[in-house]
Amino acid sequence: GENVEQHPSTLSVQEGDSAVIKCTYSDSASNYFPWYKQELGKRPQLIIDIRSNVGEKKDQRIAVTLNKTAKHFSLHITETQPEDSAVYFCAASPQCGNNRLAFGKGNQVVVIP
Amino acid sequence: EPEVTQTPSHQVTQMGQEVILRCVPISNHLYFYWYRQILGQKVEFLVSFYNNEISEKSEIFDDQFSVERPDGSNFTLKIRSTKLEDSAMYFCASREASSGKSEQFFGPGTRLTVL
Repeated sequence: GENVEQHPSTLSVQEGDSAVIKCTYSDSASNYFPWYKQELGKRPQLIIDIRSNVGEKKDQRIAVTLNKTAKHFSLHITETQPEDSAVYFCAASPQCGNNRLAFGKGNQVVVIP
Repeated sequence: EPEVTQTPSHQVTQMGQEVILRCVPISNHLYFYWYRQILGQKVEFLVSFYNNEISEKSEIFDDQFSVERPDGSNFTLKIRSTKLEDSAMYFCASREASSGKSEQFFGPGTRLTVL
């Protein structure tokens, strides 16, 4: 089955700097890649997703890039703010069928004011 | 905005006891999922459910686990005889059936503690 690895496990950045989280996946059949943000004690919430027919997607301060050949995708957060502090999970899935998600282990991002 | 809800938020049980975790998916969603997260580990897929039957299950979802949609709104996960290693956060998720609608919406989770 799909195996998703996520690096680094923790990331501290100064407010205003950029944060980058990288994930790799193993199954070439995966073609849907969501990113979830989980604040302490709250539910995981989708912040951005990308499908395999595009290489990059941007939504305000958040962007995701996908390299299908290398089987890796990355989350980029620019101009970080304290409210960006959370755990971020990447996931991969075949888009068709039941869409089960294989998650990475999560990345604790701490934005230092 | 509609949300997935789960009850209880925290369940403590003795080893060997049965537990039922409850979820109310978003009303127009037709795909339902259970995931679990053992403390410090990855979120792991357990089972998906569509059209009143299991559509896929992982190797974790053995005979001790079952799911049910007893009425038009609830989606339950039952663990028949809990083990210590079942202690985890259990998340329910749901999504629309429309093609191109891949986003899964997660509930807040139920923390299960098996003593």
